[in-house]
Amino acid sequence: DTAVSQTPKYLVTQMGNDKSIKCEQNLGHDTMYWYKQDSKKFLKIMFSYNNKELIINETVPNRFSPKSPDKAHLNLHINSLELGDSAVYFCASSDGTRANYGYTFGSGTRLTVV
Amino acid sequence: DQQVKQNSPSLSVQEGRISILNCDYTNSMFDYFLWYKKYPAEGPTFLISISSIKDKNEDGRFTVFLNKSAKHLSLHIVPSQPGDSAVYFCAAMDDKVIFGPGTSLSVIP
Repeated sequence: DTAVSQTPKYLVTQMGNDKSIKCEQNLGHDTMYWYKQDSKKFLKIMFSYNNKELIINETVPNRFSPKSPDKAHLNLHINSLELGDSAVYFCASSDGTRANYGYTFGSGTRLTVV
Repeated sequence: DQQVKQNSPSLSVQEGRISILNCDYTNSMFDYFLWYKKYPAEGPTFLISISSIKDKNEDGRFTVFLNKSAKHLSLHIVPSQPGDSAVYFCAAMDDKVIFGPGTSLSVIP
């Protein structure tokens, strides 16, 4: 029973398209995150939501829009995809805004923009 | 501007020996540190953590050491096993988790 699940696992799309990545957690956590792992393998936070409210919004192009319909879901919508958006996107959740017990990550979505 | 650094991209260790993975950080306000392990095509999994008020935390074969004055932490794995082969991310917390670039550990049977 997957704790943090992301769909799709792989996504190949053309430049200029709009796509969404979905994330769901069944851990009862209050906080969810989106991280991007770039070509240099750095994991960088993009957004954080606590109980459906945006609490962290790093310097991310406004083509990226997170949506949290409830505290168990955090989806990522990307408009006008660019080649540089190609990366692995990880969703994560934690128990509270101070994640003293570590985040639980999904298995990632590999986005390739061609 | 990397706040969390792992200067060794890779490390090879013989099975049964000790693996030592190193991490340096720049922000003295970090008060909590974590290590994550990642296998290919999977998300990172939490391994062990340490609060800045401690200098050592041990969990089975895994021990994390923190040297606040040097802004340095290390993860020791002993004895190393082939299943430990993975990428290890050091991370630090302020209001979010900030990850280092990772060290790829290969444990050779």
